[in-house]
Amino acid sequence: KAGVTQTPRYLIKTRGQQVTLSCSPISGHRSVSWYQQTPGQGLQFLFEYFSETQRNKGNFPGRFSGRQFSNSRSEMNVSTLELGDSALYLCASSPAPPETPDGYTFGSGTRLTVV
Amino acid sequence: DQQVKQNSPSLSVQEGRISILNCDYTNSMFDYFLWYKKYPAEGPTFLISISSIKDKNEDGRFTVFLNKSAKHLSLHIVPSQPGDSAVYFCAATALYGNKLVFGAGTILRVKS
Repeated sequence: KAGVTQTPRYLIKTRGQQVTLSCSPISGHRSVSWYQQTPGQGLQFLFEYFSETQRNKGNFPGRFSGRQFSNSRSEMNVSTLELGDSALYLCASSPAPPETPDGYTFGSGTRLTVV
Repeated sequence: DQQVKQNSPSLSVQEGRISILNCDYTNSMFDYFLWYKKYPAEGPTFLISISSIKDKNEDGRFTVFLNKSAKHLSLHIVPSQPGDSAVYFCAATALYGNKLVFGAGTILRVKS
């Protein structure tokens, strides 16, 4: 079956612009989480959506937002981009609020570069 | 405040020998721990996990050990293979929570 699909794979934006990233979960998965990966920082949790509702949010400024659609696809938006937003953005899907976290499957990510 | 720490940025091991990757955590609420493996240009893939009610879990060449009193876990890979060369992330969560807290990762290089 198809895995988690993230588009685009690579993106270059200018400071001050906004960007929208997309994540299509595995078919049947209803929970989508977003993580930011930067060198030396590991993966930082951004937010998690289930049934179109944000269930949890990490410690990121309000410039970072997301949403989930009725087909479980999710988007995240970053407004007023800063150089420090350059990172790999990863999406993970799971069947439901997972019985165990082993159920998370990650996409290959979107590499965002802010210049 | 890093709640999950992987203090070794990199590790180099000879093929066939044991690789030991370490992870420390500070949050006593964590009760479920996972290891992920990540190749460049790919997302992390789940390797193995352990619940806080256990102190060891094995899956083939991979074994995770948990020392709750020391708030420490380790991943043992025996024998190490060149294909194991990747970045390994330790992660922690509350079992019925909905977010993973990751360490910064350890780069493992297995030399043939």
